[in-house]
Amino acid sequence: DTEVTQTPKHLVMGMTNKKSLKCEQHMGHRAMYWYKQKAKKPPELMFVYSYEKLSINESVPSRFSPECPNSSLLNLHLHALQPEDSALYLCASSPAGFNEQFFGPGTRLTVL
Amino acid sequence: GNSVTQMEGPVTLSEEAFLTINCTYTATGYPSLFWYVQYPGEGLQLLLKATKADDKGSNKGFEATYRKETTSFHLEKGSVQVSDSAVYFCALPYNQGGKLIFGQGTELSVKP
Repeated sequence: DTEVTQTPKHLVMGMTNKKSLKCEQHMGHRAMYWYKQKAKKPPELMFVYSYEKLSINESVPSRFSPECPNSSLLNLHLHALQPEDSALYLCASSPAGFNEQFFGPGTRLTVL
Repeated sequence: GNSVTQMEGPVTLSEEAFLTINCTYTATGYPSLFWYVQYPGEGLQLLLKATKADDKGSNKGFEATYRKETTSFHLEKGSVQVSDSAVYFCALPYNQGGKLIFGQGTELSVKP
């Protein structure tokens, strides 16, 4: 299995909702990432997990809460989001040593 | 940390035209360099990479050579197709911590 999968593909939520994004990889990669991407812009790093431990938090608001239950799975818990949080959320993984990153197809999030 | 500057688009070409997208970088040492491609509605795909000076990465007819003298990693393709229409991102590691730095992206549109 050489891909990163993300669910759901699309998500619409209200500002008071709680939802979660899920990311999975079975390539044995030990680093996993969450990115946020606005239309026609490059991805912006949010979080990095290395060996299931949070190693980078790019000053992301606490309404985004990452979780890495095991080496194959990465979640992003969402609560009390704002309309400006609407974006494409991308998950990626890389082998140990932070070489090239492999991206999933993303979750298109709309906050109403 | 390292940085990258990428030629901005949009770029519109006719089918079978020659493509060059410029990318220059500033880096400590000689990090790996990457080109990613994002097709409409999808996540990022690693297009090609080069891991050391003078390396040439190639894939799907695209090529880029790691030039340390000019700190460049320009993307080229001899004959573009309509299916190459996408956004292209140049990228390199920001530092040793796993964060990738992306260029601003170049949107390519190929007309039949």
